[in-house]
Amino acid sequence: GQNIDQPTEMTATEGAIVQINCTYQTSGFNGLFWYQQHAGEAPTFLSYNVLDGLEEKGRFSSFLSRSKGYSYLLLKELQMKDSASYLCAVKGNSGYALNFGKGTSLLVTP
Amino acid sequence: ETGVTQSPTHLIKTRGQQVTLRCSSQSGHNTVSWYQQALGQGPQFIFQYYREEENGRGNFPPRFSGLQFPNYSSELNVNALELDDSALYLCASSLYGATYEQYFGPGTRLTVT
Repeated sequence: GQNIDQPTEMTATEGAIVQINCTYQTSGFNGLFWYQQHAGEAPTFLSYNVLDGLEEKGRFSSFLSRSKGYSYLLLKELQMKDSASYLCAVKGNSGYALNFGKGTSLLVTP
Repeated sequence: ETGVTQSPTHLIKTRGQQVTLRCSSQSGHNTVSWYQQALGQGPQFIFQYYREEENGRGNFPPRFSGLQFPNYSSELNVNALELDDSALYLCASSLYGATYEQYFGPGTRLTVT
């Protein structure tokens, strides 16, 4: 089966750093994805990890540990526009379907 | 480069009715996946289409069906609508085998009353 867990809500201050964690138990593993979704909009791709380690892309970084079934998304220099839902998704054995967590709603305050 | 488009944007239907949602894939993409996103939840995989055939299916009943056309656009059909079918329906396009480059459309908000 598929089980992907992430915190429901987080709050952080503008300019700060926030880490959103994701743990997963899935049937097979073919990559972990992070998406950003603003209210009423489509998810937009942020990052993809298939090997252990840290992937950095501007203000956003994503880390993966396959042995621990764990990933995190790190957002630096938070801006108000970063207030959104952040979705963790795993591609399992099927090779085509993304299995999403319920998302973490991030609120950035002044 | 043309992005993924979906129509209609919003739709209200009555329980028991049928609905068809449409998706045009991003230019150059030959695979379309459909997801259902209930309020406050993550998207749930419905099925994927490649070469006009269903390539994989999630845990959804047969009353959820689809089509893909030669131009790679796709339709999602839902029969005998139930109240729990109320959700945002997202389509995502990609090149076959390259799911890491999957781009989502803006979605269709379906309300079943």
